[in-house]
Amino acid sequence: GAGVSQSPRYKVAKRGQDVALRCDPISGHVSLFWYQQALGQGPEFLTYFQNEAQLDKSGLPSDRFFAERPEGSVSTLKIQRTQQEDSAVYLCASSLQGRGGEKLFFGSGTQLSVL
Amino acid sequence: KQEVTQIPAALSVPEGENLVLNCSFTDSAIYNLQWFRQDPGKGLTSLLLIQSSQREQTSGRLNASLDKSSGRSTLYIAASQPGDSATYLCAVLQGGSEKLVFGKGTKLTVNP
Repeated sequence: GAGVSQSPRYKVAKRGQDVALRCDPISGHVSLFWYQQALGQGPEFLTYFQNEAQLDKSGLPSDRFFAERPEGSVSTLKIQRTQQEDSAVYLCASSLQGRGGEKLFFGSGTQLSVL
Repeated sequence: KQEVTQIPAALSVPEGENLVLNCSFTDSAIYNLQWFRQDPGKGLTSLLLIQSSQREQTSGRLNASLDKSSGRSTLYIAASQPGDSATYLCAVLQGGSEKLVFGKGTKLTVNP
């Protein structure tokens, strides 16, 4: 595709609900990243995939967060039993190979509000 | 643990002015440093990427420098325009890692 696409653009959830956020990377991009950006802060790393392999999930804040990329293209970030502190913008990015030094292409993000 | 700091947090300038944004990082063992632009409600757009072996990169009116030994980078914007108004984020890639560590950004407003 032309760019990284994320859906939904906005998501409002009641506390305790499960949510699923989708990312469509640029076609052919091997690497995919998820970042979390709280209001007024810089993005913080959550997890990284190379093709379907999740190579680093050290940034996931708790076991309520789960990410997958089963066929090496589209990725889903799932948050179970959402809490108010999960409210943030979730950004997805992709790169051609992901070997450091490569340009990252970011999507517009999903703004999650947990009430 | 790598920490990235950006000063100032916000900057307002008249159109046409040259300006400098600052970024500092605590661990000099970086692979590269990137400057991004973020418009309200949008994702990040990569502006410049400086490898650890480089001293600077230029793109149009933008020039970014890197002094790895002192843990500092600057983004110079020449002849600023209202369209340059955005938040500018600095991020470093640690050696042996694929995760970027970001600063909190500098919110730039260029007034017509």
